[in-house]
Amino acid sequence: AQTVTQSQPEMSVQEAETVTLSCTYDTSESDYYLFWYKQPPSRQMILVIRQEAYKQQNATENRFSVNFQKAAKSFSLKISDSQLGDAAMYFCAYNPIIQGAQKLVFGQGTRLTINP
Amino acid sequence: ETGVTQSPTHLIKTRGQQVTLRCSSQSGHNTVSWYQQALGQGPQFIFQYYREEENGRGNFPPRFSGLQFPNYSSELNVNALELDDSALYLCASSLPPTGGKDTQYFGPGTRLTVL
Repeated sequence: AQTVTQSQPEMSVQEAETVTLSCTYDTSESDYYLFWYKQPPSRQMILVIRQEAYKQQNATENRFSVNFQKAAKSFSLKISDSQLGDAAMYFCAYNPIIQGAQKLVFGQGTRLTINP
Repeated sequence: ETGVTQSPTHLIKTRGQQVTLRCSSQSGHNTVSWYQQALGQGPQFIFQYYREEENGRGNFPPRFSGLQFPNYSSELNVNALELDDSALYLCASSLPPTGGKDTQYFGPGTRLTVL
């Protein structure tokens, strides 16, 4: 079974600095998609960034970028120039490329605190 | 563009009762997935609906059931509620399943408390 592990239950960073959140996953599949979602206190899960496993280039969305290491099955999220609005739970998720249902497998989450 | 909406926001039930949660998908999306998020945990996949049929199911008992309507909205029904069913229930919509590449967009969730 595929599993996703986020080893940092909590992280904190000073406003305007850079923070990296870790994620590892376990799968025997060669093609899949990886996602980072953000869940603020409002509870709504918001897509941060998406990576396709067959693409070697790391995805980037403004201040958010990933370090995707396929051989190591690692998918970390880097947040640059941290802002107070970045404070939230961050979830790493894996989605295999299969026929049938799209089934996201989530990690346990990392709570990110931004210190002013 | 209308996002994913869910109702109600909060719900309190007692053990043994039945509950129905509702979800309206984002405009243009015809696939709906349901997830259960226990406190302090990541969401877990319950099932997905596409073309008004269940298109895949996670490790949840049959007392968790669902429906999808022609307008793509969906319901999650839970019978014989147990205390462990207390959780945030998230609905997500997406384009037709094409092997996992379509991003799922989530609603704000329904907080269910079972007493």
